[in-house]
Amino acid sequence: TQTVSQSDAHVTVFEGDSVELRCNYSYGGSIYLSWYIQHHGRGLQFLLKYYSGNPVVQGVNGFEAEFSKSDSSFHLRKASVHWSDSAVYFCAVSKNYGGSGNKLIFGTGTLLSVKP
Amino acid sequence: ETAVFQTPNYHVTQVGNEVSFNCKQTLGHDTMYWYKQDSKKLLKIMFSYNNKQLIVNETVPRRFSPQSSDKAHLNLRIKSVEPEDSAVYLCASSKGAWGGASAETLYFGSGTRLTVL
Repeated sequence: TQTVSQSDAHVTVFEGDSVELRCNYSYGGSIYLSWYIQHHGRGLQFLLKYYSGNPVVQGVNGFEAEFSKSDSSFHLRKASVHWSDSAVYFCAVSKNYGGSGNKLIFGTGTLLSVKP
Repeated sequence: ETAVFQTPNYHVTQVGNEVSFNCKQTLGHDTMYWYKQDSKKLLKIMFSYNNKQLIVNETVPRRFSPQSSDKAHLNLRIKSVEPEDSAVYLCASSKGAWGGASAETLYFGSGTRLTVL
């Protein structure tokens, strides 16, 4: 069974600060991990993903995430946030149904508030 | 740039009514999904279709039924709505081919907010 947990429901930082949003997972096989962002009133948008290779993956808008097998984590980071980064961030793990199907299981989300 | 289109954006209805939501994707993807997002932002998959075939059907009440005319369209019908159906329904698509890195990226529409009075 694959699950994903986000321990922080709400994170508040100031513009220009660095931020780390935490994600931990459990899995039973091949794993895809990804992060999505959801601005208020919008659908989710893909940020980045990890499948294999370099454990640090780069995404859009200066975001990066680091996969750690030992910690079962896939934390999202940004060195300097902008007010427009205020949104809900979802970590997701992928479950395969075999053949041509897969399903993303999302964490509970972390609301990032960036103050000016 | 929007490539997954959902209609309507909002819908308010009474308990017991039937509603239908539409979703279309212009990305040429093979797989489409419906997710339900509740008031606490929790996301739960409901259905997944690949090339018009149902491949994922999570435990949802029988009053929910997906409908796909072709791989670019996946509609959702709720036969007799209940108050707990109030939520945002998100449609998404992906290339759908397992084993490829691109298979896991989902593209979402803006959602349909359903309010059941």
